Amino acid sequence: EVQLLESGGGLVQPGGSLRLSCAASGFTFSSYAMNWVRQAPGKGLEWVSLISDTGGSIYFADSVKGRFTISRDNSKNTLYLQMNSLRAEDTAVYYCAKVSFGGVSSFDPWGQGILVTVSS
Amino acid sequence: DIQMTQSPSTLSASVGDRVTITCRASQSISSWLAWYQQKPGKAPNLLIYKASSLESGVPSRFSGSGSGTEFTLSISSLQPDDFATYYCQRYNSFPYTFGQGTKLEIK
Repeated sequence: EVQLLESGGGLVQPGGSLRLSCAASGFTFSSYAMNWVRQAPGKGLEWVSLISDTGGSIYFADSVKGRFTISRDNSKNTLYLQMNSLRAEDTAVYYCAKVSFGGVSSFDPWGQGILVTVSS
Repeated sequence: DIQMTQSPSTLSASVGDRVTITCRASQSISSWLAWYQQKPGKAPNLLIYKASSLESGVPSRFSGSGSGTEFTLSISSLQPDDFATYYCQRYNSFPYTFGQGTKLEIK
C-alpha cells in the first residue's frame, strides 16, 4: 500500500523557517515526481511545488518562489520542503502528493497533511 | 497563468439525485484535468484523471467529460457518502491550478 507521511509542521514566527518532510513507502519513490500542495484554513487547494523523479526539474508557485525550496533524498524515500521567510499567509495544511503516473499526471495518493501556523 | 473557474460554489441536492459540476479553464488545457473529492479534515482523493478516466476503485456513478476549456463532473445517483467538496485541477503546464471548489450539501 502506498503511504505518504508528512512531518515537521508547527508554529513559527513571521520571518522564520521550517522544514517539512514526507516519508514515502509502498512504491518505487525514485520513479515518480512528487508535489507539495497547501490549503489555508477554510480555503481551497493551492499547488506549491513539484520535483521530478531525479530532482533535476523543479517548479514553484509564484507565491513561494524564492522563499521555498523543494528537494528529495531517493536513498531515504523522503521528500522535503524548506520554507524560509515565512508569512502569515503561508499558514495552511501542507500535503505531499505523488503523481499518479509518469509524465504529465494528476496526483494520487496524498499524505494526511501537516499544519503550519505562522504567527507571532 | 491559466485560471480554473468552478460552478456552482455550493450545490444542495438529495440522495438519489443526479448532479453536475462545471469547471472552465481560461484557455485550452486539452484533456489535462483531474477531479478530486475532499471530506472535512481529510486529504483530497482522486476521482477522475485526463478529464474522463475513472480512477481505480472509484464508483461508476462518477463520470467526467469535456476537453479544451469546459469540463464537467457528474454523479449519477447521489449516495450519502458523496456529500463533500469537489475540486478540479489542471496539470497541463506550470503553475498547476485548482478550481475554487464546489461544496455538495444535503438538501
